[in-house]
Amino acid sequence: GIQVEQSPPDLILQEGANSTLRCNFSDSVNNLQWFHQNPWGQLINLFYIPSGTKQNGRLSATTVATERYSLLYISSSQTTDSGVYFCAVLDTGRRALTFGSGTRLQVQP
Amino acid sequence: NAGVTQTPKFRVLKTGQSMTLLCAQDMNHEYMYWYRQDPGMGLRLIHYSVGEGTTAKGEVPDGYNVSRLKKQNFLLGLESAAPSQTSVYFCASSSITDRYGYTFGSGTRLTVV
Repeated sequence: GIQVEQSPPDLILQEGANSTLRCNFSDSVNNLQWFHQNPWGQLINLFYIPSGTKQNGRLSATTVATERYSLLYISSSQTTDSGVYFCAVLDTGRRALTFGSGTRLQVQP
Repeated sequence: NAGVTQTPKFRVLKTGQSMTLLCAQDMNHEYMYWYRQDPGMGLRLIHYSVGEGTTAKGEVPDGYNVSRLKKQNFLLGLESAAPSQTSVYFCASSSITDRYGYTFGSGTRLTVV
């Protein structure tokens, strides 16, 4: 099956800093998503981005499908951005998302 | 509120006991999934279903069984719980027409002692 790798595994920021999270995947995909898991465990879909760039407020994401990677940018980070960020791609063989191991982000005041 | 509901939210089992986790969705989604989340490993797919009456194995199916007798419900069973099944279990659903619209339940934290 497809492999999804995320980096860095852990990230600590001061409030107001910017960050870039990376997701590499082993095969071509037509469905890539970014999720945020808040400290209470809830998973929220941030972006559906199989290619190109999207922005939503302070967050933006870029996927370069031909080079098999995606980036999630967080600008002017806030403490509420803390949690784990997951990249997930669709495994067409199983028709289900395969998740990376996540980046744990801690934003300190 | 519309969404995915998981019951129970917490459970402690003794080794060898059995239990069933229930997932219910009210969005008329065709696809449903069970994942487990362990520290540092992200979410791994246990079983999934592409429609009522159908189930299929995911990445880590051993020790689990599932059933989808009704479109809105997806049950995950542990016949003989083992400490290695201590984890947080998430159910999710999605629609055929909106494959990126995954909706997750709030999770079930299971401890097997």
